[in-house]
Amino acid sequence: NAGVTQTPKFQVLKTGQSMTLQCAQDMNHEYMSWYRQDPGMGLRLIHYSVGAGITDQGEVPNGYNVSRSTTEDFPLRLLSAAPSQTSVYFCASRGTGVDNEQFFGPGTRLTVL
Amino acid sequence: RKEVEQDPGPFNVPEGATVAFNCTYSNSASQSFFWYRQDCRKEPKLLMSVYSSGNEDGRFTAQLNRASQYISLLIRDSKLSDSATYLCVVNIYNAGNNRKLIWGLGTSLAVNP
Repeated sequence: NAGVTQTPKFQVLKTGQSMTLQCAQDMNHEYMSWYRQDPGMGLRLIHYSVGAGITDQGEVPNGYNVSRSTTEDFPLRLLSAAPSQTSVYFCASRGTGVDNEQFFGPGTRLTVL
Repeated sequence: RKEVEQDPGPFNVPEGATVAFNCTYSNSASQSFFWYRQDCRKEPKLLMSVYSSGNEDGRFTAQLNRASQYISLLIRDSKLSDSATYLCVVNIYNAGNNRKLIWGLGTSLAVNP
């Protein structure tokens, strides 16, 4: 099992550019989520999905879109990058059992100039 | 008051020392609790769940005090490899039985030779 994979590992964007962060998991987990982690702010939930075709907003959804067409994939789209979106982005997945462990991908370090 | 609070540290301890971290939470509806470990520039990984009766995993012991609303993590015989940030995570179920994870900002531990 590869677990949760994310691409790219690093990305530099200019303000106004758009891009998609890829996330995939091979554990057949129903629940997937995207977090951003910033110094002094901790992990903040952007969007999440409880299954294919179902997505919902987290704590900081503005400026981001998601879709979940398959169980395995959960891409995060930045619509028009802003310097405030400079962060480390983590994708995570877990099973649907109560209190199941969250598995995280290795993260994407994004810088917006 | 933040929902989950941790002393950010850093805690600097010599190898072989015993070190303890506390984490306080404000929502009495919190249902379950976890400690995650995050190495520098890596993703968080589950260290252990925290049960009402307390639980131990080798050199690590986790305790829950519901009356005072805090959880603790004790590390005995510290190793250099224990150097990391330890994240406290609280799971809250709302009226719709939807799960919400609240992440602490983390406590930094440096174990010195």
